[in-house]
Amino acid sequence: QKEVEQNSGPLSVPEGAIASLNCTYSDRGSQSFFWYRQYSGKSPELIMSIYSNGDKEDGRFTAQLNKASQYVSLLIRDSQPSDSATYLCAVNPNQAGTALIFGKGTTLSVSS
Amino acid sequence: DTGVSQDPRHKITKRGQNVTFRCDPISEHNRLYWYRQTLGQGPEFLTYFQNEAQLEKSRLLSDRFSAERPKGSFSTLEIQRTEQGDSAMYLCASSWTGIEEKLFFGSGTQLSVL
Repeated sequence: QKEVEQNSGPLSVPEGAIASLNCTYSDRGSQSFFWYRQYSGKSPELIMSIYSNGDKEDGRFTAQLNKASQYVSLLIRDSQPSDSATYLCAVNPNQAGTALIFGKGTTLSVSS
Repeated sequence: DTGVSQDPRHKITKRGQNVTFRCDPISEHNRLYWYRQTLGQGPEFLTYFQNEAQLEKSRLLSDRFSAERPKGSFSTLEIQRTEQGDSAMYLCASSWTGIEEKLFFGSGTQLSVL
C-alpha cells in the first residue's frame, strides 16, 4: 500500500513567520512530488513541484526533497493570512503514469 | 486556456438515483483523472484516461461507478444507485504526459445523497 503521510495540524503561525510543512512517503521509487494548496470549499491548486534532491525556490515558497529519507517539505516565508489553507502533499509513485497519491493535508492558520 | 471545467457544481440526489458528472479538460491535455474527496481527507484516486483509453481504475471503486472519455476530450462519471456514502466532492484533473507531468484540477462537483 503506497502511502503519503502528513501531520493534519492545525499548524498556527503568526504573520511574517516561516511555516514548515512536512510529508513522508512510502514508495522509495517515487519520482515526482507536488504541493497543492486548497482553500476551504475550493479545489486543489498546484503551487510547487520538485523532482530531484535538494531545494527548489519559487517566490516565498521553497520545496525540499530528500529521497534517501523519503521526505518532502514546504517552507513558506513571510507567511500571510492569505496563506491560511490546507496544503496537500502529492507523490507520483513512478514515471509510468500511475496517478498521484495525496496525503490528507496539513491545515495552516496564519494569524495577523 | 480556460482551465478544467466541471458540471454541475452541485448535485443533490436521493439515495438510489443515478447521477452523471461531466468534465472538460484543458484542451491540449491528453490525460484526464477523476478523484473523490471527503471532508478532512486528501483526494482519493478513482480512475484516469490517456486519450480515450481508461488506463487505471482504483480497486476500491465500486461497480456502480463508471467513467467514459469517448473521443479523448470530455469525460463523464456516472454513479448508479447512489448511496449516502457517495456524498463527496468529485474532482476532475487533466495533464499532459511527460516526465514533469502536472495535474490541474477543476472546481469539482459537490454531491449530496439524501
